[in-house]
Amino acid sequence: DAGVTQSPTHLIKTRGQQVTLRCSPKSGHDTVSWYQQALGQGPQFIFQYYEEEERQRGNFPDRFSGHQFPNYSSELNVNALLLGDSALYLCASSLAGREGNTIYFGEGSWLTVV
Amino acid sequence: EDQVTQSPEALRLQEGESSSLNCSYTVSGLRGLFWYRQDPGKGPEFLFTLYSAGEEKEKERLKATLTKKESFLHITAPKPEDSATYLCAVQALAGTYKYIFGTGTRLKVLA
Repeated sequence: DAGVTQSPTHLIKTRGQQVTLRCSPKSGHDTVSWYQQALGQGPQFIFQYYEEEERQRGNFPDRFSGHQFPNYSSELNVNALLLGDSALYLCASSLAGREGNTIYFGEGSWLTVV
Repeated sequence: EDQVTQSPEALRLQEGESSSLNCSYTVSGLRGLFWYRQDPGKGPEFLFTLYSAGEEKEKERLKATLTKKESFLHITAPKPEDSATYLCAVQALAGTYKYIFGTGTRLKVLA
C-alpha cells in the first residue's frame, strides 16, 4: 500500500525564485492538504484541495498557490521566495468523509532559501 | 481563537520510566483530536484519532485519552526507540478542514 510520496526531498533556491513541490496521495485517497513546518514548530495549514478545487486556505499570502490533478496528485507553487519561506513542506492526504478525517503525511520537502 | 498547547516542551526519561504528555486545546466544537509521532527530518506518523471525551486508544506502549479540555499521551515502560517529537492536533467541527497543531513535546528515552 503506497503511502504519500513527495518530491523533491531537498532543494535550495535563491531569494526571488519560484519553486514547485509535488505530492502523490496515499492509494485510495482523494483529498490533499499542504502544511508548512518551520524548525521547532508544529505544521501550519496552507490549503486543502478536493475535486481539483481549493477547498480551504490558511493564512498564507497569494505567493503560495496550488493545483490538484484528475489523478488526485497535487503541486504547491511558491513565487518570489523569501528567506522566511525556508521550512519543511508537508503534504497530507485523506479520504473525504471517511476515516474520521484523519490525514496521513508524506516525508516532506525541505526547502532552503538563500 | 482555536489553539493547542503541549507540555512539557521537552522530556527526558530513563528506559522503563513511564510518563504522560499533555495536550490542552481550545476549539469551537471538536471534530477530532489527533496524535502524531515525528522523527527528526521526517514527516509526522499517525498514531491516534480521538473524537469524544472519555475515549481511549492504545497501541503498544502508548495510550491516548481525551477529556473536554485536554488529551494525554501515556507512555508505559518506554524504550529508546520511542524517542521522537510527539505532535497533537485538533480539527474543529464548524466548516473547517484544517488541523491546528501544537508545537510538540520532544521526548528522549535514555538506555
